[in-house]
Amino acid sequence: DAKTTQPTSMDCAEGRAANLPCNHSTISGNEYVYWYRQIHSQGPQYIIHGLKNNETNEMASLIITEDRKSSTLILPHATLRDTAVYYCIVRAGGYQKVTFGIGTKLQVIP
Amino acid sequence: GAVVSQHPSRVICKSGTSVKIECRSLDFQATTMFWYRQFPKKSLMLMATSNEGSKATYEQGVEKDKFLINHASLTLSTLTVTSAHPEDSSFYICSIPMVSETQYFGPGTRLLVL
Repeated sequence: DAKTTQPTSMDCAEGRAANLPCNHSTISGNEYVYWYRQIHSQGPQYIIHGLKNNETNEMASLIITEDRKSSTLILPHATLRDTAVYYCIVRAGGYQKVTFGIGTKLQVIP
Repeated sequence: GAVVSQHPSRVICKSGTSVKIECRSLDFQATTMFWYRQFPKKSLMLMATSNEGSKATYEQGVEKDKFLINHASLTLSTLTVTSAHPEDSSFYICSIPMVSETQYFGPGTRLLVL
Protein backbone atom coordinates (compact mmCIF):
# COMPACT_ATOMS: atom_id res chain seq x y z
CA ASP A 1 0.00 0.00 0.00
CA ALA A 2 1.18 3.52 -0.78
CA LYS A 3 2.24 5.66 2.15
CA THR A 4 0.15 8.66 3.15
CA THR A 5 1.01 11.83 5.03
CA GLN A 6 -1.54 13.69 7.12
CA PRO A 7 -1.31 16.53 9.65
CA THR A 8 -1.32 15.21 13.18
CA SER A 9 -4.14 17.42 14.36
CA MET A 10 -6.57 20.11 13.23
CA ASP A 11 -9.22 22.28 14.80
CA CYS A 12 -12.45 23.36 13.15
CA ALA A 13 -15.23 25.64 14.36
CA GLU A 14 -18.63 24.04 14.67
CA GLY A 15 -20.76 24.70 11.60
CA ARG A 16 -17.80 25.45 9.38
CA ALA A 17 -16.34 23.20 6.74
CA ALA A 18 -13.53 20.92 7.84
CA ASN A 19 -10.93 20.30 5.15
CA LEU A 20 -8.58 17.44 5.91
CA PRO A 21 -5.60 17.07 3.56
CA CYS A 22 -3.71 13.92 2.66
CA ASN A 23 -0.59 13.46 0.57
CA HIS A 24 -0.04 10.20 -1.28
CA SER A 25 2.62 11.00 -3.86
CA THR A 26 3.53 7.34 -4.48
CA ILE A 27 0.01 6.17 -5.26
CA SER A 28 -0.26 3.57 -8.01
CA GLY A 29 -2.74 3.60 -10.86
CA ASN A 30 -4.89 0.85 -9.38
CA GLU A 31 -4.98 2.22 -5.84
CA TYR A 32 -7.98 3.95 -4.34
CA VAL A 33 -8.04 6.69 -1.72
CA TYR A 34 -10.12 5.71 1.31
CA TRP A 35 -11.13 7.74 4.32
CA TYR A 36 -12.17 6.27 7.65
CA ARG A 37 -12.70 7.91 10.99
CA GLN A 38 -12.56 6.64 14.53
CA ILE A 39 -14.51 8.29 17.27
CA HIS A 40 -13.04 7.74 20.70
CA SER A 41 -13.47 4.17 22.00
CA GLN A 42 -15.33 3.02 18.89
CA GLY A 43 -14.40 0.98 15.85
CA PRO A 44 -13.41 2.84 12.67
CA GLN A 45 -16.18 4.02 10.38
CA TYR A 46 -15.95 4.11 6.60
CA ILE A 47 -16.54 7.58 5.17
CA ILE A 48 -15.82 7.65 1.47
CA HIS A 49 -13.44 6.45 -1.21
CA GLY A 50 -12.46 7.32 -4.76
CA LEU A 51 -10.11 6.44 -7.58
CA LYS A 52 -9.63 9.65 -9.53
CA ASN A 53 -12.94 11.46 -9.73
CA ASN A 54 -14.28 13.61 -6.93
CA GLU A 55 -16.86 11.84 -4.83
CA THR A 56 -19.66 12.98 -2.56
CA ASN A 57 -21.97 11.14 -0.22
CA GLU A 58 -24.17 12.01 2.71
CA MET A 59 -21.20 12.28 5.04
CA ALA A 60 -18.49 14.05 3.09
CA SER A 61 -16.86 15.02 -0.18
CA LEU A 62 -13.57 13.73 -1.48
CA ILE A 63 -11.49 15.90 -3.76
CA ILE A 64 -8.61 14.16 -5.54
CA THR A 65 -6.06 16.21 -7.47
CA GLU A 66 -5.63 15.51 -11.15
CA ASP A 67 -2.22 13.89 -10.62
CA ARG A 68 -3.75 11.86 -7.75
CA LYS A 69 -0.86 12.71 -5.47
CA SER A 70 -3.03 14.35 -2.86
CA SER A 71 -6.61 14.56 -1.74
CA THR A 72 -8.86 16.47 0.63
CA LEU A 73 -11.74 15.20 2.69
CA ILE A 74 -14.38 17.84 3.24
CA LEU A 75 -16.98 17.74 6.00
CA PRO A 76 -19.26 20.56 4.83
CA HIS A 77 -20.75 21.55 8.19
CA ALA A 78 -18.75 20.12 11.05
CA THR A 79 -20.54 19.23 14.26
CA LEU A 80 -19.18 18.28 17.66
CA ARG A 81 -19.93 14.64 16.80
CA ASP A 82 -17.39 14.84 13.99
CA THR A 83 -14.57 15.08 16.53
CA ALA A 84 -12.51 11.99 15.75
CA VAL A 85 -9.29 10.68 14.26
CA TYR A 86 -9.50 10.65 10.47
CA TYR A 87 -7.45 8.15 8.51
CA CYS A 88 -6.49 8.54 4.86
CA ILE A 89 -5.57 5.19 3.37
CA VAL A 90 -4.39 4.30 -0.10
CA ARG A 91 -4.77 0.73 -1.28
CA ALA A 92 -5.84 -1.43 -4.15
CA GLY A 93 -9.39 -2.72 -3.99
CA GLY A 94 -10.62 -6.15 -3.13
CA TYR A 95 -10.70 -8.19 0.05
CA GLN A 96 -7.49 -6.80 1.39
CA LYS A 97 -6.44 -5.68 4.83
CA VAL A 98 -6.39 -2.01 5.72
CA THR A 99 -3.13 -0.55 7.03
CA PHE A 100 -3.69 2.40 9.32
CA GLY A 101 -1.32 5.30 9.83
CA ILE A 102 -1.48 7.86 12.61
CA GLY A 103 -4.31 9.86 11.06
CA THR A 104 -5.46 13.42 11.78
CA LYS A 105 -7.12 14.19 15.08
CA LEU A 106 -9.90 16.62 14.25
CA GLN A 107 -11.27 18.65 17.13
CA VAL A 108 -14.51 20.49 16.41
CA ILE A 109 -14.79 23.50 18.66
CA PRO A 110 -18.13 24.96 19.83
CA GLY B 1 -27.74 -0.34 11.03
CA ALA B 2 -24.76 -2.24 12.36
CA VAL B 3 -23.11 -4.66 10.01
CA VAL B 4 -20.61 -6.13 12.44
CA SER B 5 -21.07 -6.90 16.12
CA GLN B 6 -18.57 -7.85 18.79
CA HIS B 7 -19.08 -9.51 22.13
CA PRO B 8 -18.30 -8.66 24.80
CA SER B 9 -17.87 -4.91 24.49
CA ARG B 10 -15.56 -4.91 27.48
CA VAL B 11 -14.06 -7.55 29.71
CA ILE B 12 -11.89 -7.59 32.79
CA CYS B 13 -10.02 -10.75 33.62
CA LYS B 14 -7.29 -12.00 35.91
CA SER B 15 -3.79 -12.60 34.65
CA GLY B 16 -3.35 -16.14 33.37
CA THR B 17 -6.93 -16.67 32.27
CA SER B 18 -8.18 -16.94 28.69
CA VAL B 19 -10.66 -14.59 27.08
CA LYS B 20 -12.76 -15.22 24.00
CA ILE B 21 -13.95 -12.36 21.81
CA GLU B 22 -16.65 -12.92 19.18
CA CYS B 23 -17.03 -11.07 15.91
CA ARG B 24 -20.27 -11.53 14.01
CA SER B 25 -21.30 -10.48 10.54
CA LEU B 26 -24.94 -9.49 10.81
CA ASP B 27 -25.98 -9.11 7.20
CA PHE B 28 -23.31 -10.71 5.09
CA GLN B 29 -21.47 -13.94 4.70
CA ALA B 30 -17.85 -13.30 5.44
CA THR B 31 -15.20 -15.73 4.26
CA THR B 32 -12.56 -13.31 5.53
CA MET B 33 -12.40 -11.23 8.67
CA PHE B 34 -9.57 -9.14 10.05
CA TRP B 35 -8.53 -8.72 13.67
CA TYR B 36 -6.85 -5.53 14.85
CA ARG B 37 -5.44 -4.37 18.16
CA GLN B 38 -5.16 -0.79 19.33
CA PHE B 39 -3.18 0.42 22.33
CA PRO B 40 -4.06 3.75 23.96
CA LYS B 41 -3.34 6.76 21.76
CA LYS B 42 -1.95 4.51 19.06
CA SER B 43 -3.23 3.50 15.66
CA LEU B 44 -4.82 0.18 14.81
CA MET B 45 -2.42 -2.65 14.14
CA LEU B 46 -3.49 -5.67 12.13
CA MET B 47 -3.00 -8.89 14.05
CA ALA B 48 -4.33 -11.57 11.75
CA THR B 49 -6.60 -12.50 8.88
CA SER B 50 -9.30 -14.97 9.74
CA ASN B 51 -10.30 -17.36 6.94
CA GLU B 52 -13.48 -19.41 7.05
CA GLY B 53 -12.69 -23.10 6.96
CA SER B 54 -8.92 -22.72 7.06
CA LYS B 55 -6.12 -21.49 9.29
CA ALA B 56 -5.73 -17.85 10.12
CA THR B 57 -2.85 -15.83 8.73
CA TYR B 58 -0.91 -13.94 11.38
CA GLU B 59 1.09 -10.75 10.96
CA GLN B 60 4.74 -10.74 11.82
CA GLY B 61 5.34 -10.59 15.55
CA VAL B 62 1.89 -11.88 16.53
CA GLU B 63 2.00 -15.18 18.41
CA LYS B 64 -0.46 -17.60 16.87
CA ASP B 65 -0.48 -19.83 19.95
CA LYS B 66 -1.38 -16.92 22.17
CA PHE B 67 -4.06 -15.39 19.95
CA LEU B 68 -6.18 -18.27 18.74
CA ILE B 69 -8.53 -17.51 15.87
CA ASN B 70 -11.42 -19.72 14.84
CA HIS B 71 -13.57 -18.84 11.83
CA ALA B 72 -16.08 -21.64 12.14
CA SER B 73 -18.87 -20.18 10.03
CA LEU B 74 -19.51 -17.47 7.47
CA THR B 75 -20.89 -15.19 10.15
CA LEU B 76 -18.66 -15.80 13.15
CA SER B 77 -14.98 -15.45 13.95
CA THR B 78 -13.57 -15.72 17.45
CA LEU B 79 -10.32 -14.46 18.91
CA THR B 80 -9.14 -16.14 22.10
CA VAL B 81 -6.42 -14.47 24.11
CA THR B 82 -4.82 -17.35 25.98
CA SER B 83 -3.08 -16.94 29.32
CA ALA B 84 -3.70 -13.22 29.23
CA HIS B 85 -1.26 -10.85 30.87
CA PRO B 86 -1.53 -7.12 31.65
CA GLU B 87 0.41 -6.25 28.49
CA ASP B 88 -2.43 -7.83 26.48
CA SER B 89 -4.79 -5.15 27.74
CA SER B 90 -5.94 -3.38 24.61
CA PHE B 91 -8.83 -2.53 22.32
CA TYR B 92 -9.54 -5.42 19.94
CA ILE B 93 -11.45 -4.70 16.73
CA CYS B 94 -12.59 -6.96 13.92
CA SER B 95 -13.52 -5.97 10.40
CA ILE B 96 -15.20 -7.49 7.39
CA PRO B 97 -14.18 -6.57 3.84
CA MET B 98 -16.94 -5.93 1.34
CA VAL B 99 -17.21 -6.36 -2.41
CA SER B 100 -17.89 -2.64 -2.60
CA GLU B 101 -14.24 -2.03 -1.75
CA THR B 102 -15.03 -0.88 1.77
CA GLN B 103 -14.54 -2.52 5.11
CA TYR B 104 -16.92 -2.52 8.01
CA PHE B 105 -15.50 -2.52 11.49
CA GLY B 106 -16.95 -3.87 14.68
CA PRO B 107 -17.50 -1.63 17.70
CA GLY B 108 -14.47 -3.11 19.46
CA THR B 109 -13.82 -5.04 22.65
CA ARG B 110 -11.87 -3.44 25.45
CA LEU B 111 -9.83 -5.99 27.39
CA LEU B 112 -8.31 -5.21 30.76
CA VAL B 113 -6.10 -7.84 32.33
CA LEU B 114 -5.41 -7.38 36.01
